[in-house]
Amino acid sequence: EAGVAQSPRYKIIEKRQSVAFWCNPISGHATLYWYQQILGQGPKLLIQFQNNGVVDDSQLPKDRFSAERLKGVDSTLKIQPAKLEDSAVYLCASSLDTYTSYEQYFGPGTRLTVT
Amino acid sequence: ELKVEQNPLFLSMQEGKNYTIYCNYSTTSDRLYWYRQDPGKSLESLFVLLSNGAVKQEGRLMASLDTKARLSTLHITAAVHDLSATYFCAVDMNANDMRFGAGTRLTVKP
Repeated sequence: EAGVAQSPRYKIIEKRQSVAFWCNPISGHATLYWYQQILGQGPKLLIQFQNNGVVDDSQLPKDRFSAERLKGVDSTLKIQPAKLEDSAVYLCASSLDTYTSYEQYFGPGTRLTVT
Repeated sequence: ELKVEQNPLFLSMQEGKNYTIYCNYSTTSDRLYWYRQDPGKSLESLFVLLSNGAVKQEGRLMASLDTKARLSTLHITAAVHDLSATYFCAVDMNANDMRFGAGTRLTVKP
């Protein structure tokens, strides 16, 4: 079974630029999550989708971050404009569904450096 | 707001020794997860604990959950170098909304 795919793996941008990350979850997984992991910290949930609907985006900085999952499969996370404090690893995870499946499977992450 | 506290944050131990990592959380939850992360890698699921008193073991690692005390432990028995990694606990608030601890960076020395 293929795992969660993410691209790019690394990205370096200057502050005030825009960036987008892509995630393809495990086939058949209805729930998709985006996490931000700052160096030395645990992952922080940014947004959670069930199919193409948002379940929770309470920790997403909506003034600069946006995410979509239009067809209920893959997803993109965008930052516009980026700030220095956005430097982090962005992890995508998926699970079978939100309410009856517990285990989340994580992708390899995208390491973002904002200079 | 939910707080998830792990201790210690850094742990250096010798091979063959035993140690316990603690995870305290501040709100009611009956689902707790332990993950392992190697440097530059993603998170690997170790244990899912779903009820009070749950105990799970895999190799040299054993995890337990006490929901009344809001405490989970990850016990390492006879540590080996391959266990060197960062270990995270994560508490499920609801509907798979997980809140992670800061992680325990474990180094096992020969």
